[in-house]
Amino acid sequence: AQSVSQHNHHVILSEAASLELGCNYSYGGTVNLFWYVQYPGQHLQLLLKYFSGDPLVKGIKGFEAEFIKSKFSFNLRKPSVQWSDTAEYFCALLSGAGSYQLTFGKGTKLSVIP
Amino acid sequence: GAGVSQSPRYKVAKRGQDVALRCDPISGHVSLFWYQQALGQGPEFLTYFQNEAQLDKSGLPSDRFFAERPEGSVSTLKIQRTQQEDSAVYLCASTPVGLADSYEQYFGPGTRLTVT
Repeated sequence: AQSVSQHNHHVILSEAASLELGCNYSYGGTVNLFWYVQYPGQHLQLLLKYFSGDPLVKGIKGFEAEFIKSKFSFNLRKPSVQWSDTAEYFCALLSGAGSYQLTFGKGTKLSVIP
Repeated sequence: GAGVSQSPRYKVAKRGQDVALRCDPISGHVSLFWYQQALGQGPEFLTYFQNEAQLDKSGLPSDRFFAERPEGSVSTLKIQRTQQEDSAVYLCASTPVGLADSYEQYFGPGTRLTVT
């Protein structure tokens, strides 16, 4: 069965610092990968997704992620965080074509200090 | 357009009570999903509907959990004889496509169920 690991439970950064949140998955076949964000009091929203093609994916609000197949990783990055990026971030995968069960990691809480 | 909506947003139930949680997916969306998110965890899959057909209920934790989508739009997740371990946020998601396609899922705000 597939799984997703997010090793950072809570990350605290100052504004303008660079961000990288780790995501590793376990699955031997084709995957579709997602990063979702949940701002305080709001619902899960899609930040970006990888289905195929260019492994460097750009999403909303200046976020990007790189799919490295050899490392089974899909890390999320942002060069300069803002206070408004304070949220919980979830990495998730769909295991191959026709799959519909999203498998989520446990999430990483990001706190940005002004 | 309107997103996925869920009601109630918060529900407190005494142990042993039955509860019903409602999901209104985005209009016209074919697929509907229920997830359970325990405190400090990521969402976990419960069940999947394509139109009115429940194609997968493998994630339902016990036979106390029942979901339906009789007309292929609104869905209800029912939990009978609630237990404390049922306390969680129940998320609903929908997509415009069916089983053959991978697609991003649009999530509702969730219903936070607390069983006392």
